[in-house]
Amino acid sequence: NAGVTQTPKFRVLKTGQSMTLLCAQDMNHEYMYWYRQDPGMGLRLIHYSVGEGTTAKGEVPDGYNVSRLKKQNFLLGLESAAPSQTSVYFCASSALGSLQETQYFGPGTRLLVL
Amino acid sequence: RKEVEQDPGPFNVPEGATVAFNCTYSNSASQSFFWYRQDCRKEPKLLMSVYSSGNEDGRFTAQLNRASQYISLLIRDSKLSDSATYLCVVNPQGGYGGSQGNLIFGKGTKLSVKP
Repeated sequence: NAGVTQTPKFRVLKTGQSMTLLCAQDMNHEYMYWYRQDPGMGLRLIHYSVGEGTTAKGEVPDGYNVSRLKKQNFLLGLESAAPSQTSVYFCASSALGSLQETQYFGPGTRLLVL
Repeated sequence: RKEVEQDPGPFNVPEGATVAFNCTYSNSASQSFFWYRQDCRKEPKLLMSVYSSGNEDGRFTAQLNRASQYISLLIRDSKLSDSATYLCVVNPQGGYGGSQGNLIFGKGTKLSVKP
């Protein structure tokens, strides 16, 4: 099992460009999450999904859109990138989202917006 | 008061030392608690869950104090390989999705174990 994978690993964008980050998991997990991690800020939840075809907003959803067309994939889109979106993006998944459920993280995508 | 607060450190300790981290949380309704470990430029990984009765996993001991709303992590006989950032994580129960696995992460405490 590959677990949670993310593509790309690193990307440089110019302000205003768009891109999509792909997260894939092979553990048949229902729940998937997108976080961003910034120095001094900790991990913050952008959007999450409790199942195929459903998405919901997290703590910092503005400027991002997501889609969960297939259970194993969770896409994060930036329609018009801004320098404030320079960050490390982590995808995670969990089986059922219950109270003691472990979240498994992907290796991260480092995004630099110039 | 921030939801989950940790001392950022760094904690610089020699090999073999015992080191303890504390973390406080603001939501008294929080139901579940975890410690994650994050190595430099890597993803967070679950270290251990924290149970009300306290729990131990080898050299690691986690404790929960609901009355004072803090959790702790004790590492005994520190190894060089313990060097990492330790993230205190809380499920707020009633936050973004209630029990839907949404977690609140502390900013982390950096540990550096020296030879």
